[in-house]
Amino acid sequence: GAVVSQHPSWVICKSGTSVKIECRSLDFQATTMFWYRQFPKQSLMLMATSNEGSKATYEQGVEKDKFLINHASLTLSTLTVTSAHPEDSSFYICSARVGTSGRGEQYFGPGTRLTVT
Amino acid sequence: GEDVEQSLFLSVREGDSSVINCTYTDSSSTYLYWYKQEPGAGLQLLTYIFSNMDMKQDQRLTVLLNKKDKHLSLRIADTQTGDSAIYFCALMDSSYKLIFGSGTRLLVRP
Repeated sequence: GAVVSQHPSWVICKSGTSVKIECRSLDFQATTMFWYRQFPKQSLMLMATSNEGSKATYEQGVEKDKFLINHASLTLSTLTVTSAHPEDSSFYICSARVGTSGRGEQYFGPGTRLTVT
Repeated sequence: GEDVEQSLFLSVREGDSSVINCTYTDSSSTYLYWYKQEPGAGLQLLTYIFSNMDMKQDQRLTVLLNKKDKHLSLRIADTQTGDSAIYFCALMDSSYKLIFGSGTRLLVRP
């Protein structure tokens, strides 16, 4: 149980184009999903918290107009990197939180490696 | 804000025990977690401990929590080459966000 998938697993795009990454909870409903960014040999940096049916909450320093997040259903959240630039190249990981209170551990997707040329 | 620190690297021989340490500054976290990340993959939840516990054992994994010293550790018994990965400790803050340590790269030598 508690499986989270991401699609695509890797993507290469040209500078100036937009890329959409999907995050799905396969066997549970997730009212809250999180989007992280990880640079090589570094820890995860939380970008935003996504709640189903409401606007995402972005962390300080993350451009909401550049990283568009939509949480349309209890099993799907999407991250769109708009007008991508080479500095947006990174490993993007989503997680889905089980439950709404208490332990509510997060289960992570396998990540999406984005390369912007 | 919360600061979570880990040593960057640990090398052990196959069959030995591994101990990965984590220190933190904010003691209000209710749950503390250990995640494993293999190359090019997402994070796998290994285990967690509730803040009112001192120890939790789960097969080869033992988690020790010293709240006074704000110190969390993960012991892996009989370490195998398949345990080579990056291990992250994480604390949950009051808004249910995870605060991650920098990660410890474990290398298991045959």
